[in-house]
Amino acid sequence: GQQVMQIPQYQHVQEGEDFTTYCNSSTTLSNIQWYKQRPGGHPVFLIQLVKSGEVKKQKRLTFQFGEAKKNSSLHITATQTTDVGTYFCAGPNGRNYQLIWGAGTKLIIKP
Amino acid sequence: DAGVIQSPRHEVTEMGQEVTLRCKPISGHNSLFWYRQTMMRGLELLIYFNNNVPIDDSGMPEDRFSAKMPNASFSTLKIQPSEPRDSAVYFCASSAPSAGDPYNEQFFGPGTRLTVL
Repeated sequence: GQQVMQIPQYQHVQEGEDFTTYCNSSTTLSNIQWYKQRPGGHPVFLIQLVKSGEVKKQKRLTFQFGEAKKNSSLHITATQTTDVGTYFCAGPNGRNYQLIWGAGTKLIIKP
Repeated sequence: DAGVIQSPRHEVTEMGQEVTLRCKPISGHNSLFWYRQTMMRGLELLIYFNNNVPIDDSGMPEDRFSAKMPNASFSTLKIQPSEPRDSAVYFCASSAPSAGDPYNEQFFGPGTRLTVL
């Protein structure tokens, strides 16, 4: 069945370093969504990408959607403690209004 | 808007007991999702309702789990009997898909942390 793979599972960075998480789908996606879950919190929608090759920025966050619409990435420049949490990608399953979720990448700031 | 409301926020129960989790979606949202999150299995979709009708319940683990949506503003997820392996955070989410954007963002509730002893 359709799968959305997300790597890495964890990333430890020093505050100020960059962070990147990658998402790959087994099928072409009509769109991809990104969510952030703070520790102890719930997933919160960040952005949706729709167009092939699309790049969107939110302050220090850069989101990309691959040309083939099968992969996506989230890059955070100069991480801050407020960036700590788990970042999920999610793509439509193509059959109804459900999303197929990646396993998430946990961003950990080294003390 | 109050967002998605879930109750209770925390539930501790003993194995064999019935557990009922409640969700009030955002007004006007016609899609509702129940998810379960654990460290081992991540975020799993249990069941999805559209216009109060269950569309896909293939994620419901077994017959001990049941979900209802009697009206557009209320849904329940029931576990009977509960088992220790049901311990997890259960999230309810709602969205408002449209013809122009069938995959609108999902708004999650704060979750119910369930512990079954």
